[in-house]
Amino acid sequence: GENVEQHPSTLSVQEGDSAVIKCTYSDSASNYFPWYKQELGKRPQLIIDIRSNVGEKKDQRIAVTLNKTAKHFSLHITETQPEDSAVYFCAARQRDSGYSTLTFGKGTMLLVSP
Amino acid sequence: KAGVTQTPRYLIKTRGQQVTLSCSPISGHRSVSWYQQTPGQGLQFLFEYFSETQRNKGNFPGRFSGRQFSNSRSEMNVSTLELGDSALYLCASSLSPAATYEQYFGPGTRLTVT
Repeated sequence: GENVEQHPSTLSVQEGDSAVIKCTYSDSASNYFPWYKQELGKRPQLIIDIRSNVGEKKDQRIAVTLNKTAKHFSLHITETQPEDSAVYFCAARQRDSGYSTLTFGKGTMLLVSP
Repeated sequence: KAGVTQTPRYLIKTRGQQVTLSCSPISGHRSVSWYQQTPGQGLQFLFEYFSETQRNKGNFPGRFSGRQFSNSRSEMNVSTLELGDSALYLCASSLSPAATYEQYFGPGTRLTVT
């Protein structure tokens, strides 16, 4: 089955710096890659996603890049703010006989210091 | 639209008991997936239901089961509870199981087994 590796497990940055979280996946058939943000005690919230037919997608301060050849994708957050502090999960959706499951990385705890 | 709801939000059970958790998807969403979230293992896929049929199942023992009703609401059941079943159980809904549809999470049910 699909395997998603996520690095780093924790990331500390100063407010205003950029943060990059990287994920690799194993199944070349995966074609959908969402990123979720989970604040302490809250549900995971979809913040951005990318499909395999594009290489990059941006939404204000966040962007995701995808390299299908290398089977890795990354989340980029620019001008970080303390409210960006949370656990971020990457995921990959795998095709299987017409149905698919969402496989998650183990998460990155991002700490943004004022 | 109302979001995904889960009941109960918190539950304390003892080893050997069984438990039933409920998930109501976003109106119009017909696919419901269940995940177990623990600090060490992250988000692990349990199963996915669509049109009252289980479409996919993760690597969990048979003590974990679920079902979906005609109104798309879903329940999951864990029998013969073990200490290791203590976790946050999240459900997520989407329009369909198709690979590129976004999943939206509920707030979760925090299960503690003593």
